[in-house]
Amino acid sequence: DAKTTQPTSMDCAEGRAANLPCNHSTISGNEYVYWYRQIHSQGPQYIIHGLKNNETNEMASLIITEDRKSSTLILPHATLRDTAVYYCIVRVAYNAGNMLTFGGGTRLMVKP
Amino acid sequence: AAGVIQSPRHLIKEKRETATLKCYPIPRHDTVYWYQQGPGQDPQFLISFYEKMQSDKGSIPDRFSAQQFSDYHSELNMSSLELGDSALYFCASSLVRRERYGYTFGSGTRLTVV
Repeated sequence: DAKTTQPTSMDCAEGRAANLPCNHSTISGNEYVYWYRQIHSQGPQYIIHGLKNNETNEMASLIITEDRKSSTLILPHATLRDTAVYYCIVRVAYNAGNMLTFGGGTRLMVKP
Repeated sequence: AAGVIQSPRHLIKEKRETATLKCYPIPRHDTVYWYQQGPGQDPQFLISFYEKMQSDKGSIPDRFSAQQFSDYHSELNMSSLELGDSALYFCASSLVRRERYGYTFGSGTRLTVV
């Protein structure tokens, strides 16, 4: 799986948009970009994933650059409950046994 | 909606004892994954099963074993427990052909070895 690079930590004011960047310059053509988050001591939670088009769901938006070497997760209106570690993971999808590898996430602190 | 159920939520064992953790995946999910998360660390992949067959193996110690049963629930067996095995253990499940919904993780089992 391609290696990703994320900032170690970020702060965001409550109610503002949180933009979390991720670099994945060695991504392969068949690898997807996934975002998960882990709120303290809870199980990781799936947020969103995409291949090359921008994606949006009820939780967040995912913007992938045209060359697919980087992406940004956007939480449009951050709340205190969004404080968590956010993981950007690149992997091949639809492949049994191709596990998620967590590492080097961004610790997002949403402040009042 | 049904979630991934793990039991027990908390477990305290002494060194050299044995522990068994259980995981009940979301109905009709075909893949189960086990992760270990030590204090202040990222979740580390241990082992996975696809359709009841072991499909991938990570940094799982030889003292640990796992299996998936005919009803798709999975058990992680840990023997000769060491203090360093104290961690959160998460189970996750997914349906390979519908991965747009990602993995669903359980709430975890907190194992403390004393």
